[in-house]
Amino acid sequence: GAGVSQSPSNKVTEKGKDVELRCDPISGHTALYWYRQSLGQGLEFLIYFQGNSAPDKSGLPSDRFSAERTGGSVSTLTIQRTQQEDSAVYLCASSLGLAGRSSYEQYFGPGTRLTVT
Amino acid sequence: LAKTTQPISMDSYEGQEVNITCSHNNIATNDYITWYQQFPSQGPRFIIQGYKTKVTNEVASLFIPADRKSSTLSLPRVSLSDTAVYYCLPVTSGTYKYIFGTGTRLKVLA
Repeated sequence: GAGVSQSPSNKVTEKGKDVELRCDPISGHTALYWYRQSLGQGLEFLIYFQGNSAPDKSGLPSDRFSAERTGGSVSTLTIQRTQQEDSAVYLCASSLGLAGRSSYEQYFGPGTRLTVT
Repeated sequence: LAKTTQPISMDSYEGQEVNITCSHNNIATNDYITWYQQFPSQGPRFIIQGYKTKVTNEVASLFIPADRKSSTLSLPRVSLSDTAVYYCLPVTSGTYKYIFGTGTRLKVLA
């Protein structure tokens, strides 16, 4: 079956512009995650959705970042007034979700490489 | 949240067993620990997960001591294709944050 897809694969934007990144999770996966990875660095957690709900938005780096998920499927991560420090690869993952204390395997997309000039 | 730490890098030779340790705190009895592998320009890929003692699958083993303050990923007989960055992910119940470990860059030498 199809994996997690993200679009665009690459995005170059000018400082101060808004950008929207899209994630299509695996069909049937109720949990969706966004991460950021700067060049040569580790994975920075941004936000988690269970269905359309994001219980904790405190991982978003600033109020310029927002995310939504509609219909329990597609999610968009929006960055307003982009800054050079926003340049990174933005990774999306999906999973079957949580059941009790168990953790389900996250399936990652290929990422969107964002470059702010 | 306490930081989850891993050694920055490790070198190994083909055919050797490699053990990568992840140090984490505040893991409850039934919380899971998951490990991922990441190649350059790709998203991470799941390797193994467990919540107690020892788990083994076709590619790795995961050891979790009784105090649950660390876990060890064991890769038997590594090959050149195992050169990658390895991340642990302790999943703490009651939180909606997924904080990966700092990552270990494994280089397998011929």
